[in-house]
Amino acid sequence: DAGVIQSPRHEVTEMGQEVTLRCKPISGHDYLFWYRQTMMRGLELLIYFNNNVPIDDSGMPEDRFSAKMPNASFSTLKIQPSEPRDSAVYFCASMGTGDYGYTFGSGTRLTVV
Amino acid sequence: RKEVEQDPGPFNVPEGATVAFNCTYSNSASQSFFWYRQDCRKEPKLLMSVYSSGNEDGRFTAQLNRASQYISLLIRDSKLSDSATYLCVVILYNQGGKLIFGQGTELSVKP
Repeated sequence: DAGVIQSPRHEVTEMGQEVTLRCKPISGHDYLFWYRQTMMRGLELLIYFNNNVPIDDSGMPEDRFSAKMPNASFSTLKIQPSEPRDSAVYFCASMGTGDYGYTFGSGTRLTVV
Repeated sequence: RKEVEQDPGPFNVPEGATVAFNCTYSNSASQSFFWYRQDCRKEPKLLMSVYSSGNEDGRFTAQLNRASQYISLLIRDSKLSDSATYLCVVILYNQGGKLIFGQGTELSVKP
């Protein structure tokens, strides 16, 4: 298995632009998580899905952030409009029911200038 | 108060040293615990689970104290390759089973 695949690896964008981050979970995993990591706040859970349904989005910082999972093999995290304080590494992770722990993707390093 | 708190670090130790990290959690409903390792600019990876009776994996020993709500990780005979950030993680089953990560403790093993 190729693991959790995220794209792009790096994204630099100007403030006010829309940013879309993508994630392909491991085949057969029915949980998908989006995390954000910064030096100040560490790893923060933004939202997670079970069987493509959003279960808990309480970590989504504000309305500028939205996430979708249209099918079992794809999810997006969108920021519109982006702001410099959104600069962080965004990780996607997936897990199968009954598994121990998550498998993380390599992350998307987002810089908003 | 953060749900999971760790030693601030960084820990700078010589090769061969024994080093211990502690972690406390605030939610008594937490039922499962892990240690993850994160190398610089990489994704976190599962290092080991933490069982109630304590468990060992080679040079690594994890302990859990439910009464005091803390978890520890002991690394014996540290290697240069152990240099990384170690993240304490708890699962909150009363919140749908999501993983909550500590801030992490940075370890630097020097020759």
